[in-house]
Formats: sequence, C-alpha cells, structure tokens
Amino acid sequence: KQEVTQIPAALSVPEGENLVLNCSFTDSAIYNLQWFRQDPGKGLTSLLLIQSSQREQTSGRLNASLDKSSGRSTLYIAASQPGDSATYLCAVSSQGGSEKLVFGKGTKLTVNP
Amino acid sequence: AAGVIQSPRHLIKEKRETATLKCYPIPRHDTVYWYQQGPGQDPQFLISFYEKMQSDKGSIPDRFSAQQFSDYHSELNMSSLELGDSALYFCASSRRGPETQYFGPGTRLLVL
Repeated sequence: KQEVTQIPAALSVPEGENLVLNCSFTDSAIYNLQWFRQDPGKGLTSLLLIQSSQREQTSGRLNASLDKSSGRSTLYIAASQPGDSATYLCAVSSQGGSEKLVFGKGTKLTVNP
Repeated sequence: AAGVIQSPRHLIKEKRETATLKCYPIPRHDTVYWYQQGPGQDPQFLISFYEKMQSDKGSIPDRFSAQQFSDYHSELNMSSLELGDSALYFCASSRRGPETQYFGPGTRLLVL
C-alpha cells in the first residue's frame, strides 16, 4: 500500500527566502507525482506534475524534482512571498491500477512579510 | 480555461438524510475521481470512472454510490448520512493515463 510522507508539517520563513518542501513515498512504482497548493477551506490547485520518467519540472518560481528510485520528491520555492502562504500537498499515482492519487498530509507554509 | 464545476458548493443535511453531489469535468476529460477531505485531513480517494464505467474504488462506504453519465458528468449519492460524513468532497477530472488531475472547488457537506 502506497504511503506518502511530507516533512516538515509546518514551516515559517521570512519573505524572500528560498525554501524546500520534502515528500517521500514507499512504493517507487508510480505513474506520476503532483504537487498541489491548498488555501484554508479551499480547493486544490495543481502546481506541477512530474511523470515517472522525468527528473524535474519548473513553473515560474517553483521547481519540483523526482528521484523515483529513492522514493523522494522536493518542491523548491524561490524568493518566497506572503502570497505563497498555504498548505502544499504532494500526491502520487501508482502503477497497476487507476490513476487515483494518494496524498501526503501536507506542509503548512507561512511566509512572513 | 474551463475548470471542474461542482454543485452545490455548500450543503447542510440532518443525520439519516440523503445528499447528491454533482461534478462537471473539464471538456474532453474522460476520467472523473471523487475524494473526501475530513477536517484537518488529507484527501482520501473514494471512487473513479473512466468512460462512464467505474474504474477503481477506494474507502467509500456502502451508503455511498456514484455514477458517470453519458455527458461525462458524475454524481455522488450519499444516503443515511452520519455526522462523520461532514467533509469537503472534491471531484477531479483528467484525460486517461498519468495526466494532471484538475480539482474542482469542492462541496462542503455539514451533517447535523
């Protein structure tokens, strides 16, 4: 059974700092890995999708990497802004079934002005 | 760009009542997923459909049922509601395969 862990559970940084969020998964037989952002009480916004054959994806100030063999992914946020404050969720879809997502519990990020 | 539409956005029900949640996927997306997110929890997969057929089932109670219609919209029917069913219910859609899943805004269900 796939399990996804995110560290740290919460992170508080000053504005402008670069930061890294970590995600690990137990079963390396994945289709892809997605990073999401969720604001309190709101929906999930897809940030980046990394296919199992890829090593990284970039979108603006965000860069996600994937090391499938070690079961790890990182989300790098450059020059953080107060508007980046949210919960960031990592989710993986596994091979051998539907493309359902298994989520980690998220990292709650606070960027202080 | 069109997004996933869910209705209603908010729903208040009494215990033992029934509820129907609706999901309209992004045009040309053939796969729909339902997830449940309890307070302070991560989203949990309930059920998915591909081309109107159930493709996978997760931790969905027997009191819940779902289907996908010919126009690809999906409905989640929940009966004999319990207090523990209070949660955010998300629908997501994608094209078949390891593609990005796009989530709707969710339906917040409160069972009193």
